Amino acid sequence: NAGVTQTPKFRVLKTGQSMTLLCAQDMNHEYMYWYRQDPGMGLRLIHYSVGEGTTAKGEVPDGYNVSRLKKQNFLLGLESAAPSQTSVYFCASSYSGSLPASEQYFGPGTRLTVT
Amino acid sequence: AQKITQTQPGMFVQEKEAVTLDCTYDTSDPSYGLFWYKQPSSGEMIFLIYQGSYDQQNATEGRYSLNFQKARKSANLVISASQLGDSAMYFCASFTVQGGSEKLVFGKGMKLTVNP
Repeated sequence: NAGVTQTPKFRVLKTGQSMTLLCAQDMNHEYMYWYRQDPGMGLRLIHYSVGEGTTAKGEVPDGYNVSRLKKQNFLLGLESAAPSQTSVYFCASSYSGSLPASEQYFGPGTRLTVT
Repeated sequence: AQKITQTQPGMFVQEKEAVTLDCTYDTSDPSYGLFWYKQPSSGEMIFLIYQGSYDQQNATEGRYSLNFQKARKSANLVISASQLGDSAMYFCASFTVQGGSEKLVFGKGMKLTVNP
């Protein structure tokens, strides 16, 4: 099994450009998440989804949109990139979102630079 | 609001020795879960161990154990017999469900270096 995969691995954008990050999981997980990781910081939740067709805001949702049209895919969009969105983006999935919590499986990350 | 505090920015340990990584949490929810993740220099996040707030015993997973002290709101990770491959960033995280909203909040992490 591939687990959680992310496309692309690296990307450089100019301010104002748009892009979509793709996350795919093959574990039939209901829950999927997008995080960002900045230097010296832990991961912060951007958006998450509790199932196909659902999305919800996390801690830092501004400037991002998401969609979960298929259970296995979770897309993160930046409509107008800003330098403050330079970060490493991680996608994760989990079987359950209730307690006792289940492990979140993470993708390898996407390193995004906005100039 | 949930908050995770990891005050040790970096630690050094000799190979084969045990090391304790500190984590304190702050949540008002009666039910919660606590995770530890490892992030090596390659960047991936690796799950290590989980402790539920109502678990009676401290969690253990191989060389990893969690020293859970509920009254002190601490969830320290203990790594026994350190190996060179344990050199990495370590993140503590807390999970709660508030009003149907699931939240996993991470600490800022700490860097462990294992010396030969």
